[in-house]
Amino acid sequence: AQKVTQAQTEISVVEKEDVTLDCVYETRDTTYYLFWYKQPPSGELVFLIRRNSFDEQNEISGRYSWNFQKSTSSFNFTITASQVVDSAVYFCALGGKMGGTSYGKLTFGQGTILTVHP
Amino acid sequence: DVKVTQSSRYLVKRTGEKVFLECVQDMDHENMFWYRQDPGLGLRLIYFSYDVKMKEKGDIPEGYSVSREKKERFSLILESASTNQTSMYLCASSPSGKREQFFGPGTRLTVL
Repeated sequence: AQKVTQAQTEISVVEKEDVTLDCVYETRDTTYYLFWYKQPPSGELVFLIRRNSFDEQNEISGRYSWNFQKSTSSFNFTITASQVVDSAVYFCALGGKMGGTSYGKLTFGQGTILTVHP
Repeated sequence: DVKVTQSSRYLVKRTGEKVFLECVQDMDHENMFWYRQDPGLGLRLIYFSYDVKMKEKGDIPEGYSVSREKKERFSLILESASTNQTSMYLCASSPSGKREQFFGPGTRLTVL
């Protein structure tokens, strides 16, 4: 069975602070995919990043960066110099190898509510 | 641009009513999903469909059914709504062979 744990239920920071959102996963698949989604107050989940299990290179996109560590089964997300517009619920998700009856299913974590105060 | 739409943003129904939630995608995606989102529980998969007229149960299918008569449309049905089905319902789609899912804006359903 697959499982994703986001231990931080809520995080509150002041604008310009850096913040890291934690994600720990469990899977028996040797090939898998990890995702981060952002859910702003409007409600629609927005895809941020996908990472394949065979690619442990960290990624940076503007103020966002992701740290994938297979050894600790973690895929953490850091926002540098946070802004009020970053306030949202962030979800980490895990998908197994494609094929069979998986049909692209994802397992989501509980979500972390990030509030950035001006 | 990828687009998933849901028929209502907010819906209020009474216990025992039959409720239809509609989802339409315009990307010709094979896979479609229905989730419910509750505080502290994240997104939980109710049902999904990988082709027209094909459906599979997700993690919490009890009390729900689905219909997919056309590729672009996936309906979630609450046969007899109950108060514990008050929740945010999210629809998503993805192309075959890909894992990125694209989400609609959600329907916040309240059952009184």
